Amino acid sequence: LAKTTQPISMDSYEGQEVNITCSHNNIATNDYITWYQQFPSQGPRFIIQGYKTKVTNEVASLFIPADRKSSTLSLPRVSLSDTAVYYCLVGGPLYNQGGKLIFGQGTELSVKP
Amino acid sequence: DTEVTQTPKHLVMGMTNKKSLKCEQHMGHRAMYWYKQKAKKPPELMFVYSYEKLSINESVPSRFSPECPNSSLLNLHLHALQPEDSALYLCASSQGRGASNEKLFFGSGTQLSVL
Repeated sequence: LAKTTQPISMDSYEGQEVNITCSHNNIATNDYITWYQQFPSQGPRFIIQGYKTKVTNEVASLFIPADRKSSTLSLPRVSLSDTAVYYCLVGGPLYNQGGKLIFGQGTELSVKP
Repeated sequence: DTEVTQTPKHLVMGMTNKKSLKCEQHMGHRAMYWYKQKAKKPPELMFVYSYEKLSINESVPSRFSPECPNSSLLNLHLHALQPEDSALYLCASSQGRGASNEKLFFGSGTQLSVL
């Protein structure tokens, strides 16, 4: 099972770009990388997913280097409402893991005015 | 409809009570999950149902009893819980095809307090 490592916490100010890097050294060839966002007392929600290079959607960008041993979630011009915990996961919930998709510790992002 | 609906949102129960948590999705997903989350910790997997059959039980105590009546519904029956079982209980679903890019869709959770 691919294990992920992220910074426990990060601080930022409104309007700044935030980059959160996740390390996944033993990622398998077919594993996708998926990021989820969780607000207090709510369930995690999908924000972005990628396999290689760069993916961009309306809320974030995901950068994946050629060796795929890490990935970086980029949040442009954060606001107070981006204060949340961000989780990086590797592989699908049932793919090669029999359902045991393990959440790492996540990164608690705090955005200040 | 991309929602996973969980009821109730909050639950307070005594150690001798029996209660049930309910989860519903109408996305046609064939895999459903129960996670437990303590404050400031990541979600921990409890159970996985795949095509209405229990496929994973992460050594969860028998005071938690899951049930999947059909492909849209998932229940978690609670009996004789302990105060340390107080947590946010999250239900999730996914397509169930086993693809590496399969996404999890979570409900808002049930905040459970055991007195």
